[in-house]
Amino acid sequence: DTAVSQTPKYLVTQMGNDKSIKCEQNLGHDTMYWYKQDSKKFLKIMFSYNNKELIINETVPNRFSPKSPDKAHLNLHINSLELGDSAVYFCASGDRGGYTFGSGTRLTVV
Amino acid sequence: QKEVEQNSGPLSVPEGAIASLNCTYSDRGSQSFFWYRQYSGKSPELIMSIYSNGDKEDGRFTAQLNKASQYVSLLIRDSQPSDSATYLCAVSGGTSYGKLTFGQGTILTVHP
Repeated sequence: DTAVSQTPKYLVTQMGNDKSIKCEQNLGHDTMYWYKQDSKKFLKIMFSYNNKELIINETVPNRFSPKSPDKAHLNLHINSLELGDSAVYFCASGDRGGYTFGSGTRLTVV
Repeated sequence: QKEVEQNSGPLSVPEGAIASLNCTYSDRGSQSFFWYRQYSGKSPELIMSIYSNGDKEDGRFTAQLNKASQYVSLLIRDSQPSDSATYLCAVSGGTSYGKLTFGQGTILTVHP
């Protein structure tokens, strides 16, 4: 069983489109995260939810909107996609003992 | 100053050697420290965690923490070509409670 699963794995879309990435974890963690990894491999936190409540919202354009229907799911919706949004997006879940990452979604905006 | 900074790479070591990866952090209140390994095209994988000063060993890996110097390191003994990956240092606690802040990563290549 996959602990943290993300879909889709690859996403190629045109500028201006709206897209969503879904994430589910079966580890029983209360906290889930979205990270963005740029072309230089730098991982930067975007959002964190604890038991469906938003607890971290870094400086992210409001075109990005996370949604957590329950503590096992955290989705990311992106409006009006821009070229600069191209990156790998990782979902993760965890606590003070460290995170488990999903396999990532490679988003390419053309 | 970057919140978490790793020694610049890439780092290349021969098979069987010790690879030493270093990391410094700026938030003195940080409490939890992690090393992740990321193979190309894959997700980060947790390999070590350390919470108190000193050394922590797990197989060929040893994590070292010095909170006074705000320094954490990872030693890989008997390096193998399969250890070739990007190693990410991550820190949580202090003012960043609830989130992991990552360094920029160090690319390690172990050549036969």
